[in-house]
Amino acid sequence: GENVEQHPSTLSVQEGDSAVIKCTYSDSASNYFPWYKQELGKRPQLIIDIRSNVGEKKDQRIAVTLNKTAKHFSLHITETQPEDSAVYFCAASPPADRGSTLGRLYFGRGTQLTVWP
Amino acid sequence: DAGITQSPRHKVTETGTPVTLRCHQTENHRYMYWYRQDPGHGLRLIHYSYGVKDTDKGEVSDGYSVSRSKTEDFLLTLESATSSQTSVYFCAILIESSAGDTQYFGPGTRLTVL
Repeated sequence: GENVEQHPSTLSVQEGDSAVIKCTYSDSASNYFPWYKQELGKRPQLIIDIRSNVGEKKDQRIAVTLNKTAKHFSLHITETQPEDSAVYFCAASPPADRGSTLGRLYFGRGTQLTVWP
Repeated sequence: DAGITQSPRHKVTETGTPVTLRCHQTENHRYMYWYRQDPGHGLRLIHYSYGVKDTDKGEVSDGYSVSRSKTEDFLLTLESATSSQTSVYFCAILIESSAGDTQYFGPGTRLTVL
């Protein structure tokens, strides 16, 4: 099955700086890559996603880039704020016709982002 | 919150006892999933369902069973709980759309097995 690796496991930045989290995946057929933010004691919340037919997607201070050739994708957060502090998870999803069920997600192990005021 | 609820939200039980966790959705989505979350492991799929009575195993299914007798409910059962099943359990649904399918999580159940 798909294998997703995520780096770094912890990341500390000063408020206002940028933060970048990187993930690699193993199955070249994976075509959907969501990012989830999880605050302490809460559920993972989808913050942005990208599908394999585009290379970059932005939503205000958050952007995701995808390099299909290298099989990696990254989350970029600009102008970080203390409320961005959380654990961020990347995931990859192979298409259902690869022996996987529709929507099956394989997660990275998470990055604890701390933004210092 | 995509209309997903989980019950109970917290449970403490003893080794060897059966435990059932419930996931309920209000919007008749076909696909439902059970994950467990442990420090250092991220989220790992236990079982999933693609319709009433249609279920299959995920990557960490040993010691767990599931049932889906109604579209809105997906039950996860630990037949004989062990301490290694102490974890936070998240249910998720898949919202299918022409723009792409997206997975949303329930609020989670914290299970402690003593």
